[in-house]
Amino acid sequence: ETGVTQTPRHLVMGMTNKKSLKCEQHLGHNAMYWYKQSAKKPLELMFVYNFKEQTENNSVPSRFSPECPNSSHLFLHLHTLQPEDSALYLCASSPRDRGHNEQFFGPGTRLTVL
Amino acid sequence: SQQGEEDPQALSIQEGENATMNCSYKTSINNLQWYRQNSGRGLVHLILIRSNEREKHSGRLRVTLDTSKKSSSLLITASRAADTASYFCAPHNTDKLIFGTGTRLQVFP
Repeated sequence: ETGVTQTPRHLVMGMTNKKSLKCEQHLGHNAMYWYKQSAKKPLELMFVYNFKEQTENNSVPSRFSPECPNSSHLFLHLHTLQPEDSALYLCASSPRDRGHNEQFFGPGTRLTVL
Repeated sequence: SQQGEEDPQALSIQEGENATMNCSYKTSINNLQWYRQNSGRGLVHLILIRSNEREKHSGRLRVTLDTSKKSSSLLITASRAADTASYFCAPHNTDKLIFGTGTRLQVFP
């Protein structure tokens, strides 16, 4: 384990449901990230938070709403999703110190939208 | 785009053989990182090579970087079945890592 946990590991939801993905890091890092990984596509960066402040929103539809209450926790709130949103959602954290920007990933949440 | 592009897309070898994966990118970088992903799992950081370095080793891994050609390679020596995974390069410039689609490595026992 890398010190980054994600819950739930699997989620099936209908298009009208509202659900949330949770990420927690125990590494004392300052930055946290949400990625989307779809089959045969590059890993897509969705959101970046530094010291709880959102610094990147990579043109993500508003049906995805991130929340970062503190440097250790990151949420992704989901509502009125589409079937094409089915993917593996990965959370990562990073120290963001100069020269130390390796990212540590959680195991991911496999999301299926029916 | 800063995205790293891995080549080949898929590679199959026998245990004990060496595996070489290549990465190309388009912009200047501070460093380049390689990650590994087992099927359906999160990525694991393998190695980071800085723009002023040409080669780096970590166990059975050897990474090279040629900034003039904007390319990098990852060599896994004496491969094992447990090395079966997808491998991604990620060029780093400003504050982001941009991943490609990866190389899928299959090592047969």
